[in-house]
Order: sequence, then structure tokens, then C-alpha cells
Amino acid sequence: DGGITQSPKYLFRKEGQNVTLSCEQNLNHDAMYWYRQDPGQGLRLIYYSQIVNDFQKGDIAEGYSVSREKKESFPLTVTSAQKNPTAFYLCASSLRGDRKNEQFFGPGTRLTVL
Amino acid sequence: AQSVSQHNHHVILSEAASLELGCNYSYGGTVNLFWYVQYPGQHLQLLLKYFSGDPLVKGIKGFEAEFIKSKFSFNLRKPSVQWSDTAEYFCAAGSDSGGYQKVTFGTGTKLQVIP
Repeated sequence: DGGITQSPKYLFRKEGQNVTLSCEQNLNHDAMYWYRQDPGQGLRLIYYSQIVNDFQKGDIAEGYSVSREKKESFPLTVTSAQKNPTAFYLCASSLRGDRKNEQFFGPGTRLTVL
Repeated sequence: AQSVSQHNHHVILSEAASLELGCNYSYGGTVNLFWYVQYPGQHLQLLLKYFSGDPLVKGIKGFEAEFIKSKFSFNLRKPSVQWSDTAEYFCAAGSDSGGYQKVTFGTGTKLQVIP
């Protein structure tokens, strides 16, 4: 079954702690993305990667970091510098990183910082 | 900067009513347009997309959208909604930004269909 997996589904962390969200895809897609979804604000792009070992900041990258060491994996670290980390995080991938390719989304991780 | 506007945040309809959700984008260059849907408890998934050619695009589950270039619009329509259409709908626009794809999503419209 091809798709995108994100784990865990729910994550709780104490304020001041870094936390890493997992995203894995077995679709053989080149491009991967991280979005943050907040009520009434839609999806906002955090980081994206078009190819292994390369990634770019999206619209709201401050307080986040990523790595792309393998084609199938694109983990997101929410650092203590992120001022409002509680949110629903969505990972997506597309065959290539151009504007014509539809994105496939994972089930999301809901992060709550206490 | 590119932006996507969805005019309705929350829409409530009775079954069999017709649906039209508005979407406007601000990018002046070549743009690809998408509608995604998020059913309760499910992944965000593609409903339909426009790249070029016929401006009337048909998608899954009886949805369609019309690209009107002069109005920078890509409104989503369905002649007769069902209870199972209850979901959140996102319009998105993809454009080139320094060689990289940039997809901008709207804020979403929650559709509630009452049986």
C-alpha cells in the first residue's frame, strides 16, 4: 500500500523541549513538504524539499528545522524557539517539485505543547 | 506575493441543494489550480485540478470547477450535495517561484450538509 505515514498521531510535549515529527513516504516521490494547519488559517508552508539533501524555507520556517537525508523521509523538528507550536502538522509529497504536480498528504500529527 | 482567498468560511446546506464555493487567487503568471477536500477523520485529498485547456474541470464525486482567467477565479460547484459531502474544502494555486513550485492554500471552507 503506497502512501505517506506520519507518527505519532498525537504528541504532547512540555514547553521548552524540542520535538521531532516523523514523515515517511513510499511513493518514490522526489518532493516533500511540511505544512501547519490552524483553524481559520488554512495550510501554511513550513519547509519543502525537492530532492535529497536539499530543502528550502517556506512561509513560516522560524522555529522549525528539517533534514532530507533519504528520499523517503523528511522529519520536522519543532524547536523551543517556535513561539506557538501547538498545531496540526501535515506532511505531503509530490512526484516532482513543480507546480503541476498534485500533493499527497499524510494523516497529520497533532502537537500539543503544555 | 501570491495569495488565495476563499470567501466562505462556513457553509450550511440541505441535501440536494446546489453548491458553489468561491476561490480567487492573486498571481498574475502561469498558475495551476487545485481543490482539495478533507473529510472528517481522513487525509487531505485532491478533488480536481486545472492546468490548461478547457476551463471547466470535472473532478471526483460530481464536483466541477470553472477557471475564469479574467476574474482570477476558480470556483467549485456541485449541482446537488449529499450528506457525505460534509467536509472542509481548500483551494490552492501552484506557481513558479525561482524555479521551485510554490503552492499556496486558501483558508478553507467548512461545508456542512444537513440531511
